Amino acid sequence: AQSVTQLGSHVSVSEGALVLLRCNYSSSVPPYLFWYVQYPNQGLQLLLKYTSAATLVKGINGFEAEFKKSETSFHLTKPSAHMSDAAEYFCAVRKANAGGTSYGKLTFGQGTILTVHP
Amino acid sequence: DTEVTQTPKHLVMGMTNKKSLKCEQHMGHRAMYWYKQKAKKPPELMFVYSYEKLSINESVPSRFSPECPNSSLLNLHLHALQPEDSALYLCASSQVGLAGAKYEQYFGPGTRLTVT
Repeated sequence: AQSVTQLGSHVSVSEGALVLLRCNYSSSVPPYLFWYVQYPNQGLQLLLKYTSAATLVKGINGFEAEFKKSETSFHLTKPSAHMSDAAEYFCAVRKANAGGTSYGKLTFGQGTILTVHP
Repeated sequence: DTEVTQTPKHLVMGMTNKKSLKCEQHMGHRAMYWYKQKAKKPPELMFVYSYEKLSINESVPSRFSPECPNSSLLNLHLHALQPEDSALYLCASSQVGLAGAKYEQYFGPGTRLTVT
């Protein structure tokens, strides 16, 4: 079964600093990986996804993530944090059901709350 | 249009009430999902519908009853809930296909449910 571990339930950075949110996955087959952001009292918004094309994936709002198979990681980065980036971030993994049928269960990490200080 | 809408935004109900949550999408997605999210936790999958048929029930208590009347609508009927069922209920949708796992899920804003 696949699983996701997000290292650090809280990350605090200064405005303009590098953002690094860590995600490690465990999967018996090559996974599909996703990063979602959730602002308070809102739903989840997709930031980016890895689906076995390019290992460096660019997303919305200046975020990107690199798939590293050797490290089983998919860390999320942004060069310069904005106050508006303060939110909770979820890494999620998904693999096809046996037989590769239409969908697979999305498994979320525990989430990382990002705080941005002025 | 990449929007999933949910109504109502907030719902307060007593333990003997019957209420329904509604979800709608017009992206042509044929998979729709219900998630439950408690505070400071990730979403937990409850149900999955694929082509309007219930495909996954994650051992959810029968006081939650899903319904998918057509490819655009998803309902969650609530009856005799408990206070511990208070949570944010999220609806999502996605494409399906042979490589369906690569398709992202689009989430609605959620319904904040409080059971008194």
